[in-house]
Amino acid sequence: DAKTTQPPSMDCAEGRAANLPCNHSTISGNEYVYWYRQIHSQGPQYIIHGLKNNETNEMASLIITEDRKSSTLILPHATLRDTAVYYCIVRVPNYGGSQGNLIFGKGTKLSVKP
Amino acid sequence: NAGVMQNPRHLVRRRGQEARLRCSPMKGHSHVYWYRQLPEEGLKFMVYLQKENIIDESGMPKERFSAEFPKEGPSILRIQQVVRGDSAAYFCASSPEDEQYFGPGTRLTVT
Repeated sequence: DAKTTQPPSMDCAEGRAANLPCNHSTISGNEYVYWYRQIHSQGPQYIIHGLKNNETNEMASLIITEDRKSSTLILPHATLRDTAVYYCIVRVPNYGGSQGNLIFGKGTKLSVKP
Repeated sequence: NAGVMQNPRHLVRRRGQEARLRCSPMKGHSHVYWYRQLPEEGLKFMVYLQKENIIDESGMPKERFSAEFPKEGPSILRIQQVVRGDSAAYFCASSPEDEQYFGPGTRLTVT
């Protein structure tokens, strides 16, 4: 079972920031928070991941609370093409090649509206 | 650098036939994962392979399903004697080590 809890759906107006929350209250000290998204019928797409510091890349920002029990993915200026199911996943990174599968929960269906 | 390639994109098989799904990882990636997504459901891990080795097959059904990732060539997911319940989208992902990059999937329909 997934170790995360996400709202099933959210709406966001085009051009506004989309803030997607994720609860992971049982996260272990060596587990990272990963975000993927799946646009309808396509393969999932990696977005970002982090351990405890906030992270930013060209796609999004990841804010992790100090106690690491929750996080928020921020899409700063959502577009219609960001409409997708967003998955928050916690796992130990696969350094060493001994493990690695992603456990997908139900995710949050984000609908960006014009 | 081309992305992860999967073929065929769509595959129709009659019950009892065999299905072979191919996955070519991104250049330089030596880790391959297979996931299955049943209609209206989430993705479920099936198997994790490195070149010539199966690392984790805990998500693979015990019968009819097999996977390989040979030294040369694509990774193959093979389903023998398909049944209607095998109808799904099958995604592979490749990884240099940690982040996984997914292909477009193969949609298998069993009639």
